[in-house]
Amino acid sequence: ELKVEQNPLFLSMQEGKNYTIYCNYSTTSDRLYWYRQDPGKSLESLFVLLSNGAVKQEGRLMASLDTKARLSTLHITAAVHDLSATYFCAVDPDGGSQGNLIFGKGTKLSVKP
Amino acid sequence: GAGVSQSPRYKVAKRGQDVALRCDPISGHVSLFWYQQALGQGPEFLTYFQNEAQLDKSGLPSDRFFAERPEGSVSTLKIQRTQQEDSAVYLCASSLGGVTDTQYFGPGTRLTVL
Repeated sequence: ELKVEQNPLFLSMQEGKNYTIYCNYSTTSDRLYWYRQDPGKSLESLFVLLSNGAVKQEGRLMASLDTKARLSTLHITAAVHDLSATYFCAVDPDGGSQGNLIFGKGTKLSVKP
Repeated sequence: GAGVSQSPRYKVAKRGQDVALRCDPISGHVSLFWYQQALGQGPEFLTYFQNEAQLDKSGLPSDRFFAERPEGSVSTLKIQRTQQEDSAVYLCASSLGGVTDTQYFGPGTRLTVL
C-alpha cells in the first residue's frame, strides 16, 4: 500500500524565517504534486514535479523531487503571513497511468508576525 | 475561465437518507475524479472517470456509494442510506486527461450526517 508521509504536520513560523516541509512516499513514482488549501477552501495547485531532480520555484516557495530517495521538499523562504495555509503533497502511483492521487495528511503552516 | 463547480456546497442529511452531489468539471476536461476529505486529513481517492467511462472505483468505501458521468461531462456522486461516518467534504477534480496533467479541484460539498 502506498503511503505518503509529511512532516511536520504542524508548523508555526515567524515572519522572515526559512523552513522546509518534507514529503516521503513508499513506492516508486516520478510524479509529485504540491497543493495549498486555505481554511474552508478547496485545493490550489502549486507545483507539479515530473522527474528526478526537478526543482520549481514560485515566489517564496521552492519544491524539489528526489525520486531515488522518494522524497520531496517544499522550502519556504522569508515567510510572510499570507503563506499561512495547509500544504499537501500528493503522489501519482501506478506509473501515472490514471492520475488518481495519494495525498499526505498535510502540513498546517501558521506564520506569525 | 470557469473552474470546477460543485453543488450543493453544504448538505445536512439525516442518517438513512440518500444524497446526490453534483460536479461540473472544467469544459473540455476528459478526466474527472472524486475524493473524500475527512476533517484534518488529506483527500482520499474515491473514483475516476475518463469521459463517461468509470475506470477506477476502488476507493469507494462501500456499495452505498455510486458515481456516474453519463454524458462525459457532469458527474453525480450518490450516497445511499447515509451513515454518520460519511460526514466529510467531497471534492471533485478534473484534468485535461494526460497522465501528468494537473488536477483542478472544486470547492467541495460539505456533507454532515446527523
